[in-house]
Amino acid sequence: QVQLQESGPRLVRPSETLSLTCTVSGSSITTYYWSWIRQSPGKGLEWIAYIYHTGNIDYNPSLKGRVTISLDTSRNQFYLRLSSVTAADTAVYYCVRHKSSDKGSYDQWGQGTLVTVSS
Amino acid sequence: IQLTQSPSSLSASVGDRVTITCRASQGVSNYFAWYQQKPGKAPQLLIYAASTLQSGVPSRFSGSGSGTDFTLTISSLQPEDFATYYCQQLGSYPRTFGQGTKVDIK
Repeated sequence: QVQLQESGPRLVRPSETLSLTCTVSGSSITTYYWSWIRQSPGKGLEWIAYIYHTGNIDYNPSLKGRVTISLDTSRNQFYLRLSSVTAADTAVYYCVRHKSSDKGSYDQWGQGTLVTVSS
Repeated sequence: IQLTQSPSSLSASVGDRVTITCRASQGVSNYFAWYQQKPGKAPQLLIYAASTLQSGVPSRFSGSGSGTDFTLTISSLQPEDFATYYCQQLGSYPRTFGQGTKVDIK
């Protein structure tokens, strides 16, 4: 059974860096593509970034310059860092698995973690 | 690529046939998916490659379309289908989602 679990601070101060970890179980992180998605009331569902273990990465241009995605094959985890956060970055953050390639839809989702940006 | 999903909400009864449409601002071939989301839960994949039913999803759900126009149909609405539905294009970066269609009980 595949499981994805997001973890990280729930409260981040404005201008600081949001850091999240996705721990994957039941699926090798070297077999699939992985993404971060967020959902906020104002902007709906937003794709943030994807990564493949070969180093293939892409970011949403709306966040480029602030976002970094990475992974650790030995831990079967991947990560999100979003710098210089503002209240607009308050959202539920999901980690997801692509069904196949980078063009694959998302067949496995974490439960999501609400991150609030506030002082 | 912008996705225009309609309607934004609808009220329907158990047993009704429900159709949700999504129009892409540019062609995306069949790189298209539909998701269902219930309150407090993560979205779940229903349809991928525009018309392929995800494993475990009831056959009353179907998808069609290619290029710019796509449709999700629920042939006979069941109580567990009351939820919000989202479309997504995977043909171009950045991946984008529709704004959602909330299906509630009439």
